[in-house]
Amino acid sequence: NAGVTQTPKFQVLKTGQSMTLQCAQDMNHEYMSWYRQDPGMGLRLIHYSVGAGITDQGEVPNGYNVSRSTTEDFPLRLLSAAPSQTSVYFCASSPQGRNQPQHFGDGTRLSIL
Amino acid sequence: DAKTTQPNSMESNEEEPVHLPCNHSTISGTDYIHWYRQLPSQGPEYVIHGLTSNVNNRMASLAIAEDRKSSTLILHRATLRDAAVYYCAVYTNAGKSTFGDGTTLTVKP
Repeated sequence: NAGVTQTPKFQVLKTGQSMTLQCAQDMNHEYMSWYRQDPGMGLRLIHYSVGAGITDQGEVPNGYNVSRSTTEDFPLRLLSAAPSQTSVYFCASSPQGRNQPQHFGDGTRLSIL
Repeated sequence: DAKTTQPNSMESNEEEPVHLPCNHSTISGTDYIHWYRQLPSQGPEYVIHGLTSNVNNRMASLAIAEDRKSSTLILHRATLRDAAVYYCAVYTNAGKSTFGDGTTLTVKP
């Protein structure tokens, strides 16, 4: 099983550019989420979704958009990249929310110049 | 949202037990406590989770304080492969999660 797949693994952007980080899971999980991890710190929740068509903001949503048109996919869009968004981004999924383990992808390492 | 705090680092000798603490003093009654660990350049890996009662699985045990304001991840016999950054997280009923900054565990042979 592929689990949670994130693409790309690495990306370099210029300030002001936009891009979409892809996340796909093949486990039919309802709950999906996006985190960012800055050096030496824990994960901070950006956006999450409890099912197709439903999304909500996490702790640090500014500058990011999400949509959930299918159960499998949960893309994260950077509208106008800023150097402060340089980070490692992780996508995760679980059958439902708080009471079940989350499965994480391997991350996307994003640098904004 | 609940705030979680963890020590920056801990050391252990191989084959000895390790107790990793986490404080989550603002936790709500229905919030779950999760633990994950992360190796360099990898995504976090699930370790264990619980609500009120102590929990055991093949990887570890989770001891939750009676007032739920703190918890302890217990690795019964640390191995070199257990060296990682361990994260405590609180998950709310609404689906939000709050992670601590992690404890780097060093295991000495």
